[in-house]
Amino acid sequence: DAGVTQSPTHLIKTRGQQVTLRCSPKSGHDTVSWYQQALGQGPQFIFQYYEEEERQRGNFPDRFSGHQFPNYSSELNVNALLLGDSALYLCASSSTGRGRNTIYFGEGSWLTVV
Amino acid sequence: GDSVTQMEGPVTLSEEAFLTINCTYTATGYPSLFWYVQYPGEGLQLLLKATKADDKGSNKGFEATYRKETTSFHLEKGSVQVSDSAVYFCALRDQAGTALIFGKGTTLSVSS
Repeated sequence: DAGVTQSPTHLIKTRGQQVTLRCSPKSGHDTVSWYQQALGQGPQFIFQYYEEEERQRGNFPDRFSGHQFPNYSSELNVNALLLGDSALYLCASSSTGRGRNTIYFGEGSWLTVV
Repeated sequence: GDSVTQMEGPVTLSEEAFLTINCTYTATGYPSLFWYVQYPGEGLQLLLKATKADDKGSNKGFEATYRKETTSFHLEKGSVQVSDSAVYFCALRDQAGTALIFGKGTTLSVSS
């Protein structure tokens, strides 16, 4: 049973560019959330997707957008990259059904903005 | 709003020592509480959880009890190993069940 998978694992972008990160949830999970973890900090909630709709959003600007596909996979897009966007981006999946309280995280995508 | 406060690290211990990492929370209602662990260069792994007051979560020798009266969820282990060296995050999930709110993390370093 594959867990949460993310790609790419590492990437380097230039200020002002755009980036897309991808996530496949754990088998049987229908809800995907994205978190940003800056160096030395705890993860911060960006947004959550369920049934292809953004269900809740944290305190992040509109430069951060997302999408969920019919197969429950998800993308995180960040436009007009800033140096401060350098972080580990974590995808988390869960199920609205039985065991909904368990959230599983992927290994993350390390983004460096130069 | 909801928040989680963890003890500042790093925590440095010798192998077989007793571990306590303090965690307190502020939340409306009755959140679920979690401890996650992050090994160097890796993502987050769920260590244990508790969903209601007085529940005790346990896994791999680690334990934490949901104390509503003190709004705490302290992590303990009776005898740490070098392989326990990692960053530990306390987190809560509110009643809406949408987002996890994390503490800043506590780095544990265990030496042999």
